[in-house]
Amino acid sequence: AQSVTQPDIHITVSEGASLELRCNYSYGATPYLFWYVQSPGQGLQLLLKYFSGDTLVQGIKGFEAEFKRSQSSFNLRKPSVHWSDAAEYFCAVDSPNQAGTALIFGKGTTLSVSS
Amino acid sequence: EAGVVQSPRYKIIEKKQPVAFWCNPISGHNTLYWYRQNLGQGPELLIRYENEEAVDDSQLPKDRFSAERLKGVDSTLKIQPAELGDSAVYLCASSLVRLAGIYNEQFFGPGTRLTVL
Repeated sequence: AQSVTQPDIHITVSEGASLELRCNYSYGATPYLFWYVQSPGQGLQLLLKYFSGDTLVQGIKGFEAEFKRSQSSFNLRKPSVHWSDAAEYFCAVDSPNQAGTALIFGKGTTLSVSS
Repeated sequence: EAGVVQSPRYKIIEKKQPVAFWCNPISGHNTLYWYRQNLGQGPELLIRYENEEAVDDSQLPKDRFSAERLKGVDSTLKIQPAELGDSAVYLCASSLVRLAGIYNEQFFGPGTRLTVL
């Protein structure tokens, strides 16, 4: 069965420090991969996505993610975290063969930013 | 351009009461999704519509949940009767119609937070 694992439930990072959020997926082939951010009381916002090609993808708000097929991973990174980045982050997959059916989400990682 | 609109934003009810959530998708988006997000979890699909047709309702608990999208635009999700375990955030999302080889991003509304006492 398809699944997404986000090993870290909660991460605290100092403002200005770098960030890496982990995501691993289980899928029969390479799925479409996504990172979403959810701020309190807000809907999910797409940060970036990977379909194919260059394994390093750039997103909004200074985020990037790297797809590693050998590790079935799609980790999210940011070189310098801002206090406004504090939020819940979700990794998700979708099927390339039936794209747009339904996203499968991980359980999320809560990011806290300390000053 | 307006995003996905959901109402109410918050709802508190007692168990066994009925409740309904409303969603207005982005104009022109034919595909509409209802997800449920339990505390500490990621969203999980309840039902997906393409226009008026529910094309995937396999995860919808049909004994108490129902949904409709009569004119292929707005949608309503209903629970009757509500149970304690239904406390969650109910998210609506919409996208352009799914076409072969073209991925259309899902846009999410802010959700309705339901508390069942």
